[in-house]
Amino acid sequence: QQPVQSPQAVILREGEDAVINCSSSKALYSVHWYRQKHGEAPVFLMILLKGGEQKGHEKISASFNEKKQQSSLYLTASQLSYSGTYFCGTDPNTDKLIFGTGTRLQVFP
Amino acid sequence: EAGVAQSPRYKIIEKRQSVAFWCNPISGHATLYWYQQILGQGPKLLIQFQNNGVVDDSQLPKDRFSAERLKGVDSTLKIQPAKLEDSAVYLCASSFIRHEQFFGPGTRLTVL
Repeated sequence: QQPVQSPQAVILREGEDAVINCSSSKALYSVHWYRQKHGEAPVFLMILLKGGEQKGHEKISASFNEKKQQSSLYLTASQLSYSGTYFCGTDPNTDKLIFGTGTRLQVFP
Repeated sequence: EAGVAQSPRYKIIEKRQSVAFWCNPISGHATLYWYQQILGQGPKLLIQFQNNGVVDDSQLPKDRFSAERLKGVDSTLKIQPAKLEDSAVYLCASSFIRHEQFFGPGTRLTVL
């Protein structure tokens, strides 16, 4: 079952914040987050393991609520370089990822 | 560190023709994945190798798609014969076991 992401699209001005959500119908072992720019391959952002931890990478952080089978990606003080499509990839303890529906983020000056 | 290499980058064929894609993963990565990404959608796993063996090929259309991983390193994905709906980007990724996946640049296939 493909995880559902929300919102489907976000438009921001530089410096604004955004939250992207990923919801799965299955119990999860881990959640991965990737960003894909147009015409390029997905690039790994971070991985969250079962345990409800929160991770951060500069101004991008994420949380994982295993009880709710949800993860959220937080983008603070967005930059032009954040533009792209964000995918969550969920692993229901099968050692393979099921990618979500995607969230398209556009940051304008 | 060299990334995941794929070739060709683009391929245009007519339906019913055959096509093959090549992938060279990051050195030392035991796990290799082939994904199909249709425009506007997330990558869909076709097949997963761990070293030489197939871990999962449940979503591989085996009547027309085949894949192999030689000596646990390079891999090829073949489509024979191609259909119009096979038009997509084919992504190869590699990882250590249960770690983040690193993607190659992909092969954009157009079937006419």
